[in-house]
Amino acid sequence: QKEVEQDPGPLSVPEGAIVSLNCTYSNSAFQYFMWYRQYSRKGPELLMYTYSSGNKEDGRFTAQVDKSSKYISLFIRDSQPSDSATYLCAMNRAGGSQGNLIFGKGTKLSVKP
Amino acid sequence: DAGITQSPRHKVTETGTPVTLRCHQTENHRYMYWYRQDPGHGLRLIHYSYGVKDTDKGEVSDGYSVSRSKTEDFLLTLESATSSQTSVYFCAISDLLEGYTFGSGTRLTVV
Repeated sequence: QKEVEQDPGPLSVPEGAIVSLNCTYSNSAFQYFMWYRQYSRKGPELLMYTYSSGNKEDGRFTAQVDKSSKYISLFIRDSQPSDSATYLCAMNRAGGSQGNLIFGKGTKLSVKP
Repeated sequence: DAGITQSPRHKVTETGTPVTLRCHQTENHRYMYWYRQDPGHGLRLIHYSYGVKDTDKGEVSDGYSVSRSKTEDFLLTLESATSSQTSVYFCAISDLLEGYTFGSGTRLTVV
């Protein structure tokens, strides 16, 4: 079993829809959870960062961590065509080496006008 | 991307030749990383550095070497390029465990 699993999609939704993106993981030691957004031919950019369990909201974006289920989610409300990108989850364990950030393979999202 | 630049942006090279990619940061971050990104594999760590002259191997380090003689520069060298090293290479920097800042990438084609 891979440490981090992420459905690659592609996921296509109409403008204004609520989008749910998810990752599952196997290492219960993971404490830091991140979501990156990557536009075509660009580098990933950090979108959301959470520590341990719970929710974090930033505008139209909500990151959710359920450590009991080893499951993290990113919700996008009122999705816009500009949200079309690949979304990567990433995670690391507390006290882990800085080289141990583990990425999912990314989910490609397309928001249609 | 603010504070981190990669060069060159695109490169085509022949099999068997050495290639060096450069990552330059102006953020004075301690940690620097080289990743490659391939369809179906996602981002894979090649090497990383936790200080000047301090480096360590990542998941896919075979055929690659790195050097960091200054805080701001992290070089990735493909000692003898092969077609399997055709990829998009990303450099990233970080200071704390709060997420990485990535460069814009280098598209390398080995023919």
